[in-house]
Amino acid sequence: DQQVKQNSPSLSVQEGRISILNCDYTNSMFDYFLWYKKYPAEGPTFLISISSIKDKNEDGRFTVFLNKSAKHLSLHIVPSQPGDSAVYFCAASGGSSNTGKLIFGQGTTLQVKP
Amino acid sequence: DGGITQSPKYLFRKEGQNVTLSCEQNLNHDAMYWYRQDPGQGLRLIYYSQIVNDFQKGDIAEGYSVSREKKESFPLTVTSAQKNPTAFYLCASGTSGFTDTQYFGPGTRLTVL
Repeated sequence: DQQVKQNSPSLSVQEGRISILNCDYTNSMFDYFLWYKKYPAEGPTFLISISSIKDKNEDGRFTVFLNKSAKHLSLHIVPSQPGDSAVYFCAASGGSSNTGKLIFGQGTTLQVKP
Repeated sequence: DGGITQSPKYLFRKEGQNVTLSCEQNLNHDAMYWYRQDPGQGLRLIYYSQIVNDFQKGDIAEGYSVSREKKESFPLTVTSAQKNPTAFYLCASGTSGFTDTQYFGPGTRLTVL
C-alpha cells in the first residue's frame, strides 16, 4: 500500500520557467511533509518542509503548498535552473506511531534544460 | 564539520557472506535510520533507532540486523539471508521529534557478485 505517491516519474522544463512537482498521500494522520533532492549516487538533501497547520511555506526559490482536503502537496521551483536537475522525493510523517518515521514517494526526476 | 559519514562508498561481496555497513554521525541526533533505494523506487525503511540500545524494524527488515551501542554509530549488517541485497543503502539521523527532519549520509552501493 503506497501511502505517498508521486505519479509523475519525470518532468522536463526550460531554464527560467516554473517547475511544479506533485505528491499525493492517503493517510489523513500525516502531519509533517518534506521535500528532498537527490543526485545519483549521493544521499538526499533536505530542501523544505511544511507542517499540517500551514498551507504554504517558502524558502528562496522553493515553495511548498499543502492542500489537506485533497491530501496533496506540491513543490514549486521558480525560476528553475539547470543545477536543479535531480530526483525529488516527497516524504510524510505522523500518524498512529508518530515516531519520526518518514514515508517516501517514488521520486520525480526533474530535468531543467538550458 | 558536522554530518553523517558512511563507509565504504562501494562494497562488493560474494553471495553467502555477511557484510557490515558503517554509519557515524556527529550531529548529536538521538534517532538514526537505515534505508534502501532500488532503481525507480523510493526509499524504504530497514531499521531505525530512537535511542541508544534500542531499535525497531522498519518495513523491510528481513535479512538485516543492526546495533546501537553508541549514540554516534548505527552499523547495518546485511546477512546472507537477505535474498536481494544489491542496492544503494542510505543512513540518516534526526532529532526524533514531532517535526523530525532527517539528514542523510552519502550512501553505500552494495553489489553482490
